Parts: sequence; C-alpha cells; structure tokens
Amino acid sequence: QVQLVQSGAEVRKPGASVKVSCQASGYTFISYGINWVRQAPGQGLEWVGWTSTYNDNTDYAQKFQGRVTMTTDTSTSTAYMELRSLRSDDTAVYYCARDGGGGVLWFLDVWGQGTTVTVSS
Amino acid sequence: EIVMTQSPVTQSVSPGERATLSCRASQSVSSNLAWYQQRHGQAPRLLIYGASSRATGVPARFSASGSGSEFTLTVSSLQSEDFAVYYCQQYNNWPPTFGQGTKVEIK
Repeated sequence: QVQLVQSGAEVRKPGASVKVSCQASGYTFISYGINWVRQAPGQGLEWVGWTSTYNDNTDYAQKFQGRVTMTTDTSTSTAYMELRSLRSDDTAVYYCARDGGGGVLWFLDVWGQGTTVTVSS
Repeated sequence: EIVMTQSPVTQSVSPGERATLSCRASQSVSSNLAWYQQRHGQAPRLLIYGASSRATGVPARFSASGSGSEFTLTVSSLQSEDFAVYYCQQYNNWPPTFGQGTKVEIK
C-alpha cells in the first residue's frame, strides 16, 4: 500500500540542526512531490515547504528560508528535511505529505506518521 | 498570504447528529480547497479535495461544497470515529495555507 514512513523522534539543543527522513513505498516516487508540514503542541498545521522528487526544485515558506533544506534520494525513495539554528519554538511534530501529483500548489493525499522534534536546553 | 478562517472553533454534537463546519478564505481560492481530518494523536487524513470531491475510501456521510471564499463540510450522521479536528487548506495561491481547525466533540 502507499505509505510514507518517517524517522524517529529527535531531541536537540537550541542552535543545533535536525534532519528528518521520509521513506516512500507503494508508488512511483518521482511522480509526486513531497511537502513538509509541522504542528506545534496543541496548535494547527503550518506548511514548511515542498520538494520535487524528480529534479532539484524546492519551495520554502518565507519564514523558514535560509534555515531549511529539503532533498530527496531517488535510489531509496526517501525525502529529507533539515532544519538548522533550532529554537524552542521549532518544537513540533513534523509531517511529510505527498502532493496529489500537482506540484507545490496541490492537496496532500498521503501523510507520514509524523516525527516529534523537541528543542530544549 | 491567504488567511483561512474556520468556524466554529469547537462544535459539540451528539452521535448520529449532523455537523456542519465552515471555512472562509480572505480572498477567492476558486475550488482549490481541501479538507483534512485529524484524530487525536494521528496524522491528518485527506477527506475532500477540489472543494467537493471525496478522497478514496472516505465515507459518503462526508460531503462538502462551496467555491470562491466560502466553503462547508458536512458530516451527515456522526459516528464515534468522526470526533476529531478538521482543517481546511487552500492550494490556489502561494503559500498553501491551513485554517486553524474545528474540533468536533461529543455532546
């Protein structure tokens, strides 16, 4: 079945970096882009950015530009999101989600289970 | 960016009753609107795309309508598994944005 499986929970100190992975299975990886969406504790959903899975195109929300890098490895059908210069307000569950085939401006039809990132000194 | 406003923030409904959720966009998003359901402790799940099309496997008790800036999600007869938080998302204009969510709780 189509699924996205994310890496496990991470704990980092302020100023550090974190890299979360998202491995796809059950479909042709390069046919759909991958979005990253985060959810702070008790809060709503916030779009972080999008990466193509067949070229180097990426698109990041303005508030994360300069701090985030999204990449993919087609040999393992895995997408990655690295967030640098972490702050306490980056504490959140980070989800990867497949776009429905329409690129950055599209609905998100398959979601990973989420990765909890905790930033604490 | 387009601001999505959902109402009410919380809706208390008895099992078997109807729930009606609203989502308003700060400017027209045409029909480029999706609805997601998030059960407690789980990832969001796509329910509706294109403002009114049910995603694969979504029960027929979920229906949605609207276009432009006003949208509605209706759950015709709430089942126990439907008590959750519902989010709308516009994907017409960059950046894609979500509403703040409506929690549907048991009355």
